[in-house]
Amino acid sequence: EAQVTQNPRYLITVTGKKLTVTCSQNMNHEYMSWYRQDPGLGLRQIYYSMNVEVTDKGDVPEGYKVSRKEKRNFPLILESPSPNQTSLYFCASYSSSYEQYFGPGTRLTVT
Amino acid sequence: QKEVEQNSGPLSVPEGAIASLNCTYSDRGSQSFFWYRQYSGKSPELIMSIYSNGDKEDGRFTAQLNKASQYVSLLIRDSQPSDSATYLCAVLRAQKLVFGQGTRLTINP
Repeated sequence: EAQVTQNPRYLITVTGKKLTVTCSQNMNHEYMSWYRQDPGLGLRQIYYSMNVEVTDKGDVPEGYKVSRKEKRNFPLILESPSPNQTSLYFCASYSSSYEQYFGPGTRLTVT
Repeated sequence: QKEVEQNSGPLSVPEGAIASLNCTYSDRGSQSFFWYRQYSGKSPELIMSIYSNGDKEDGRFTAQLNKASQYVSLLIRDSQPSDSATYLCAVLRAQKLVFGQGTRLTINP
């Protein structure tokens, strides 16, 4: 089954404690993206990757890091999380058609 | 002006009627347009993509694109209660998808 998986699905953490949200896809897509979704602000792109070792900033990259060492994986790293990073996070993968397929989401709470 | 604008709703439509969702965009150079459906607490799922002016039909869904007027719409025929969701319009701009805030649609039995 073609899918995008994310882990964990729910996470409550404290300010400053480094965390990683994993994302994996099995569709052999070149492109992957991370989004955050906040009430009233919609979906906003954090980072995207066009291929292995190729990443670029989206619209809200501050406070986040990514890496793309393998085609299937695109982890999102929060080195020092802050309460304003409390959000619902989605990973997506897609081909050159830009038809994006989203993971199930990770609900992050930073206290 | 927002890059992609949608009426946030809620839009209430009786079961069996046609639901019409609209989206306008600001970048005249945009070439690719997408509609996603998002149920509460779930991830967005792709309904349709459209690239050329005119209509594109897929089952009960029809996407309409008018590049001269910079709008894209989604029609849902024979609306069902299961169509109740938030519908997101997305526009491709410089290798990134820009999403509208979504229109919340409620289908009343």
